[in-house]
Amino acid sequence: DIQMTQSPSSLSASVGDRVTITCRASQGIRNDLGWYQQKPGKAPKRLIYAASSLQRGVPSRFSGSGSGTEFTLTISSLQPEDFATYYCLQHNTYPYTFGQGTKLEIK
Amino acid sequence: EVQLVESGGGLVQPGRSLRLSCTTSGFTFGDFAVSWVRRPPGKGLEWVGFIRNKAYGGTTEYAASVKGRFTISRDDSKSIAYLQMNSLETEDTAVYYCARDQRAEYWGQGTLVTVSS
Repeated sequence: DIQMTQSPSSLSASVGDRVTITCRASQGIRNDLGWYQQKPGKAPKRLIYAASSLQRGVPSRFSGSGSGTEFTLTISSLQPEDFATYYCLQHNTYPYTFGQGTKLEIK
Repeated sequence: EVQLVESGGGLVQPGRSLRLSCTTSGFTFGDFAVSWVRRPPGKGLEWVGFIRNKAYGGTTEYAASVKGRFTISRDDSKSIAYLQMNSLETEDTAVYYCARDQRAEYWGQGTLVTVSS
């Protein structure tokens, strides 16, 4: 199975900060990766697909990059509504696998 | 508007079965695969499996942890996907989500399954 190592597992930041979350794949997955945001009690929401394409309706402060084994999600200027848990998902090889998640908290 | 609504969750004893439904609207169901993902309490998201649409054979893929116990099916005439869960274990306790497509573009709100004696 492909392991997705996501870091950090938690992160404290302030409104207006720039934050970066990383996912590393145990083997190459081209750009077959998505990023998801989940708030407590809510369904996950896809932010980024194909590693770097912004989902329609998602604010432009979110961006994704990477290919192969290293991927990043960047939030350019944190807003209060961005405090949530973030996951990456590789859909290159079965079984598909998620990263362990990054909980983004208010400092 | 794309909508997916899970139902069928509840409390079930270990070893028993449960069937979840994913009722959809707002898109042509037959054109898309459907995925199932779960989130155990206090843990992260776990991919369960998905079913392709008929154009791709309607075949399925599963995580190792559920293979042989869980079965995903679909009824295109009703725009519903199902997750049949047999031989349930306490470790299957989770909120179960369905999502459109194997890349999980849109998600339902989830349904809670609790496996406990």
